[in-house]
Amino acid sequence: DAGITQSPRHKVTETGTPVTLRCHQTENHRYMYWYRQDPGHGLRLIHYSYGVKDTDKGEVSDGYSVSRSKTEDFLLTLESATSSQTSVYFCAISRTGDGKNIQYFGAGTRLSVL
Amino acid sequence: GESVGLHLPTLSVQEGDNSIINCAYSNSASDYFIWYKQESGKGPQFIIDIRSNMDKRQGQRVTVLLNKTVKHLSLQIAATQPGDSAVYFCADLSGGSYIPTFGRGTSLIVHP
Repeated sequence: DAGITQSPRHKVTETGTPVTLRCHQTENHRYMYWYRQDPGHGLRLIHYSYGVKDTDKGEVSDGYSVSRSKTEDFLLTLESATSSQTSVYFCAISRTGDGKNIQYFGAGTRLSVL
Repeated sequence: GESVGLHLPTLSVQEGDNSIINCAYSNSASDYFIWYKQESGKGPQFIIDIRSNMDKRQGQRVTVLLNKTVKHLSLQIAATQPGDSAVYFCADLSGGSYIPTFGRGTSLIVHP
């Protein structure tokens, strides 16, 4: 357990509505990530952050934005949700040190866009 | 990674058997490798890691083997138990990168 909390755990929304998912960590890690996981695709990186206000795009960033105003919180926003964004979203942190760089994941948010 | 369509490769074993799960990676510069276990409805969970200066590392009931020549690693689970049923996938990183490349995974089914 790396002290990662995702909220909400489940969300059903309608096409065109904005949605924000929250990731909260308690261990002060510098790197945080948002992934989506879909059948046939595995984990795909949406955005990541390497510090407060420092973020960058991943391979599937279109339609998503992120913000990190505090070390402990990393928010993922779908400005106008589409059915193609129905997925399971995972937040992760990198725990580094002693030559290691291991990502630890939250429990996930299951999002359905109708 | 390899494209295998919507369905993950599946390995079915009997309880008590040893399981071997394989992973191929494509980046010859990768120097750090991780295995994850993901149970249904949960987030991926770290199992074991290995650096490229090693070819074998053992944990509790698990062993990871790395063959850099053919860019392949495997996860061996000894005396597989029903609780080991999950999707297992590997990840690799290179040169101090903080962005791993994840494999798509193998579904392990353990029959009592």
